[in-house]
Amino acid sequence: EVQLVESGGGLVQPGGSLRLSCAASGFTFSSYWMHWVRQAPGKGPMWVSRINPDGSRTDYADSVKGRFTISRDNAKNTLFLQMNSLRAEDTAVYYCGTRDSGYLGDWGQGTLVTVSS
Amino acid sequence: EIVLTQSPGTLSLSPGERVTLSCRASQSIINNYFAWYQQKPGQAPRLLIYGASNRATGIPDRFSGSGSGTDFTLTISRLEPEDFAVYYCQQYGTSVLTFGGGTKVEIK
Repeated sequence: EVQLVESGGGLVQPGGSLRLSCAASGFTFSSYWMHWVRQAPGKGPMWVSRINPDGSRTDYADSVKGRFTISRDNAKNTLFLQMNSLRAEDTAVYYCGTRDSGYLGDWGQGTLVTVSS
Repeated sequence: EIVLTQSPGTLSLSPGERVTLSCRASQSIINNYFAWYQQKPGQAPRLLIYGASNRATGIPDRFSGSGSGTDFTLTISRLEPEDFAVYYCQQYGTSVLTFGGGTKVEIK
């Protein structure tokens, strides 16, 4: 059974940084694209970023490009999202997900990031 | 960035009814790289349809997807009580993936 467990969320001040992790199990992590998707309170999902299986290709939403960095450690079956220069509008539940380069068939339970002074 | 517009915003229906949800893209989606998700309160979205018309594993056959180009549709042939939720469309035909704003299907 696929399991994705996010961690690292919390309260951070505007301009601050946070690193999210997603621990994966139940599938061959190193063979799959991985994604981060966020959802602000009361809003729809917004795709944030994706990374290919060997980590050589990454894509980002325009609103986070240059501030967020996605990475992965295939030896530890873990996905990361380094978030810098955080803004109030980055406040959301952040989910990791997988299945395909484009769609997400498996999702974690999410971790809440709150950007506030 | 491709913008996806879902309509209507909310649908009030009764169990047993047929429902059709629409999603229109601001530009054509290549290769029908299009998906639909269902989300219930406090849960992550659940994949229903990918490739515009392929049901994901475990999804009942009352759910079907169709469309191409800029216009896509999700149909639920007969609403069950567990189908009342918010539905989102998503495109993955470009390197920047985007979701629609959602349609809420509520009990009338």
